[in-house]
Amino acid sequence: QSVLTQPPSVSAAPGQKVTISCSGSNSNIGNSFVCWYQKLPGMAPKLLISDNNSRRSGTPDRFTGSKSGTSATLVIYRVQIEDEADYYCGTWDGSLSAVVFGGGTRLTVL
Amino acid sequence: QVQLHESGPGLVNPSETLSLTCSVSGASVDGYSWAFVRQPPGKALEWLGSIDDIGATKYNPSLKSRVALSIDTSKNQFSLNVKSLTAADTAVYFCARAQAGYNYHPYFFDFWGRGILVSVST
Repeated sequence: QSVLTQPPSVSAAPGQKVTISCSGSNSNIGNSFVCWYQKLPGMAPKLLISDNNSRRSGTPDRFTGSKSGTSATLVIYRVQIEDEADYYCGTWDGSLSAVVFGGGTRLTVL
Repeated sequence: QVQLHESGPGLVNPSETLSLTCSVSGASVDGYSWAFVRQPPGKALEWLGSIDDIGATKYNPSLKSRVALSIDTSKNQFSLNVKSLTAADTAVYFCARAQAGYNYHPYFFDFWGRGILVSVST
């Protein structure tokens, strides 16, 4: 059971928009910054966004992160076939004194 | 470009201790925090712990009693020990560089090793 809650799966057709949510609490998202990773099978996670909405170098501007209260959202605009992957949110939990991740969301591009 | 490389055994017996080393190139371990993250087959990412360049550590409370991190700045590497292994510790283990961004605590990981699959089995 992950500290942060993500939907297990989402799907979209190429060119559509997809939204991935990450729900937490005041001990984590509510009082910290959020990051997002893209994970392909057999590969290391790739950091897409840090500090809620800062795209890392090389992250396409189709990827947008935001945070409101105890929840965070990753939006992928104009989804492409190569975006098919697992996506994880992460943050610091002050009560646990630990880095915590969401359970991951599998994006299927139809 | 910062590169990290995990090394260690791919198979460990139950009840024994896993020792992994992460060698860093393209950057000094000085001035940063470093971490190990694992992913059991079919499951989510799990942070094991982080260590800074002076050896201060933070551990996942669910594993704290079994995990230990150390750093060797002269060799530009850091290491993970996990004791009392069970099958549940079977996972791909990643080492990574930790950053704090606007946060006080290093909470995101910007450079990663390729990962090493560790199986716990007889």
